[in-house]
Amino acid sequence: NAGVMQNPRHLVRRRGQEARLRCSPMKGHSHVYWYRQLPEEGLKFMVYLQKENIIDESGMPKERFSAEFPKEGPSILRIQQVVRGDSAAYFCASSPRDNYNSPLHFGNGTRLTVT
Amino acid sequence: KQEVTQIPAALSVPEGENLVLNCSFTDSAIYNLQWFRQDPGKGLTSLLLIQSSQREQTSGRLNASLDKSSGRSTLYIAASQPGDSATYLCAVSNNDMRFGAGTRLTVKP
Repeated sequence: NAGVMQNPRHLVRRRGQEARLRCSPMKGHSHVYWYRQLPEEGLKFMVYLQKENIIDESGMPKERFSAEFPKEGPSILRIQQVVRGDSAAYFCASSPRDNYNSPLHFGNGTRLTVT
Repeated sequence: KQEVTQIPAALSVPEGENLVLNCSFTDSAIYNLQWFRQDPGKGLTSLLLIQSSQREQTSGRLNASLDKSSGRSTLYIAASQPGDSATYLCAVSNNDMRFGAGTRLTVKP
């Protein structure tokens, strides 16, 4: 049973380009969470999605960031017009239920570097 | 707004020592608390999950306690080994999951 798969592992973008980060949850998991980890900081919640629905996006920056979890395919975190401050590790986690009473399973992250 | 604090930020111990990592949170209305391990350049591995109605959970050499009323949790690691070297994160869940900044543990052979 494959775990949470994130790709790419490393992504380099120049300022102003777009970054697309992909997350395939564990089999049977329909809840996906995205977190950002800045250097030397803890994980910050960004967005919580179920299939075709955004449940909580209170941690998402108001501009340039968007997320989706379509009926088919992986969840996508999209960052438009990247800036140097977007450089971070972005982690995706999944769970089978929405009540946080089952452990979250994390992917290995995508490390975004903006040059 | 839930704030999660972990003390110490870094800890270095010789192999074989027992150690305690601390986590505190400001809002006691939580569903559960989880301890994670993060190795450099890797994702997070869930170690222990304590439901809000529980006081502690044990897995091998790890024991996590939860005192909801005082907003505290501890992770006890017995007989530490160099392979335990990693960053340990605690996270609390109510409407979302909030993480502490972690404790970076180094166990020296």
